[in-house]
Parts: sequence; C-alpha cells; structure tokens
Amino acid sequence: DIVLTQSPDSLAVSLGERATINCKSSQTVLKSSNSNNYLAWFQQKPGQPPRLLIYWASTRESGVPERFSGSGSGTDFTLTISRVQAEDVAVYHCQQYYTTPNTFGQGTKLEIK
Amino acid sequence: QITLKESGPTLVRPAQTLTLTCTFSGFSISTAGVGVGWVRQPPGQALEWLALIYWDDDKRYSPSLKNRVTITKDTSKNQVVLTLTNMDPVDTATYYCAHRDEWKYVLDYWGPGTLVTVSS
Repeated sequence: DIVLTQSPDSLAVSLGERATINCKSSQTVLKSSNSNNYLAWFQQKPGQPPRLLIYWASTRESGVPERFSGSGSGTDFTLTISRVQAEDVAVYHCQQYYTTPNTFGQGTKLEIK
Repeated sequence: QITLKESGPTLVRPAQTLTLTCTFSGFSISTAGVGVGWVRQPPGQALEWLALIYWDDDKRYSPSLKNRVTITKDTSKNQVVLTLTNMDPVDTATYYCAHRDEWKYVLDYWGPGTLVTVSS
C-alpha cells in the first residue's frame, strides 16, 4: 500500500495568514503516460463528510474558493490556504488514487490562533 | 444533482455481518468510468478506504480487510451494497459512500455517513 504522511498533524494560523499543509507519499503517484498526479485534498468539518477541494494535485474543484491551491508532483505535495478565514477551521486530508487501496493521510487539523 | 445516502444498522453485535446500502441519484452507475466507493472513519481517527465498484462491475478491496468485505451494485435500484463480515469493536466507525467521477477519477460527492457501533 502507498503510505501518505501529512505534516504537521495540527497547526494554528492567524486570520488572514497563510496555511501550508504537506503530504508525502511513500511512492510516486505521477503517472508518466498522462503526466497526472493522482493526488486529492479534502476538507472535513466536524460532523460532516469530506469535501473535495483539489484533484490531480492542483485542480481546484468547482465552487472551491481561490484561496485554496494545491502543488507538488511525484511524492511531495502541498495544500496552501492563502488567507485563512474562520470557516476554514477543519481537518484536511490528502488521498492518492494512483492505485488501490486509495489510501489517505492521517489528517491535519487547522485551527485559528 | 448527485446525492448519496447510506443506510443500515446503527448497532451490530461482535461476529455479526454488517450490510450497508448506498442509495444514490443524479448519475448512473452504468456510465463508463463511474464508480461508487466506501470509506470509513473511526471516531476521532483518519479516513480509511474500504472498497470501490466500477461501472463494468470491476471491484477493488482494501487488503487490510482480509476477505471480510464484499461490494455489489444493483443498477436498476441505483444502489451499492457493502457487506463486512465478522464485525469487531474496532470496526466501529462512520461509514461513507461516495461517487467516483469518470473524468476526475476521484471521490467527488459523498453521502452524509452512517455511524455503526459494534458492541455486545
């Protein structure tokens, strides 16, 4: 199985500041045949299902605010929230869908400082 | 508009079999590339991918469940069923079903989830 390790486990950011969450894969999730990174990011608020934010490592899902962006390739990926707002308090998960089982990272909890 | 909803027992005894149904609307599981997956989340813990069934009836399972899990679909009823045998208290979790998009390949629409508790 591909292991995804997120860092940090939690972070506290002031309103309007930048938040950066990392996701490192135990093996590449870049498919050379189409140059796509099979990596997604989800946001999960308490009592709610995960919400898709980013797929193909950097493509923002429809309706997701522009302050959310994804980057990286191969084994190292980053989710950036450019100016954190109060409603961004949540747990963020990365997931690889390069191969089954489509594993998730352990999650990163974002709080407001 | 794509929607999914999980249904099934909220309490299961140890060693029993859990059967969960995902009823969906807004898409056809017969469409090439489409799939429905199951993911679970123990209280306060990480998400765990369980299984996925594709439009062509291809099925993929998590090896960690060691042949305990089965996924099937009923295209006419717009339902996908997950079966998990020999339930244990460690299987206590919120179980989610989700739509796998045929272009994005990712789980883009999720049901609200159903909490299943395993206890005697």
